Amino acid sequence: NAGVMQNPRHLVRRRGQEARLRCSPMKGHSHVYWYRQLPEEGLKFMVYLQKENIIDESGMPKERFSAEFPKEGPSILRIQQVVRGDSAAYFCASSPGTSGAYNEQFFGPGTRLTVL
Amino acid sequence: EDQVTQSPEALRLQEGESSSLNCSYTVSGLRGLFWYRQDPGKGPEFLFTLYSAGEEKEKERLKATLTKKESFLHITAPKPEDSATYLCAYNTDKLIFGTGTRLQVFP
Repeated sequence: NAGVMQNPRHLVRRRGQEARLRCSPMKGHSHVYWYRQLPEEGLKFMVYLQKENIIDESGMPKERFSAEFPKEGPSILRIQQVVRGDSAAYFCASSPGTSGAYNEQFFGPGTRLTVL
Repeated sequence: EDQVTQSPEALRLQEGESSSLNCSYTVSGLRGLFWYRQDPGKGPEFLFTLYSAGEEKEKERLKATLTKKESFLHITAPKPEDSATYLCAYNTDKLIFGTGTRLQVFP
């Protein structure tokens, strides 16, 4: 049973370019979460999605960041016009549900974004 | 504001020297306390979930316990391969993480 998959694992962008990060949840999981880990800081929640719905985006910066989880295909985190401060590790997690043990979140290996 | 605090920030142990890591919280609407292990350059690896005060779970040399305001991760007779950052997180649908404890175990 494959775990959470993220690609690319490493992404280098110049300031002003767009970054697209992809996440395929574990088989049978319909809930996806994105977290960001800045250098020397803890993991911070960004957004929680179910298929075709954004449930909670309270951790997303108001500008330049967007996320989607379409009916078919992976979840996408998009960062437009990247700046150096966006350099971080971005992790995706998935869970099968939201109650009890179904809320246990399993993480992917992360995408490390470097903005030059 | 919901907050999770882990201590100590860093811990150096000799192989076989048991110790405990602390995770305290002020969170409303708790729906589980999670422990993860994170190795450098990798994603967090799920260890345990605890749901109610008094609950305990064990896995090899690790044992996690939960009270109403804090959780402990006890490491018994650690080995060098236990070296990692240990993260706790409180679940309110989204996970609220502490900044972790960096554990180094020396032979």
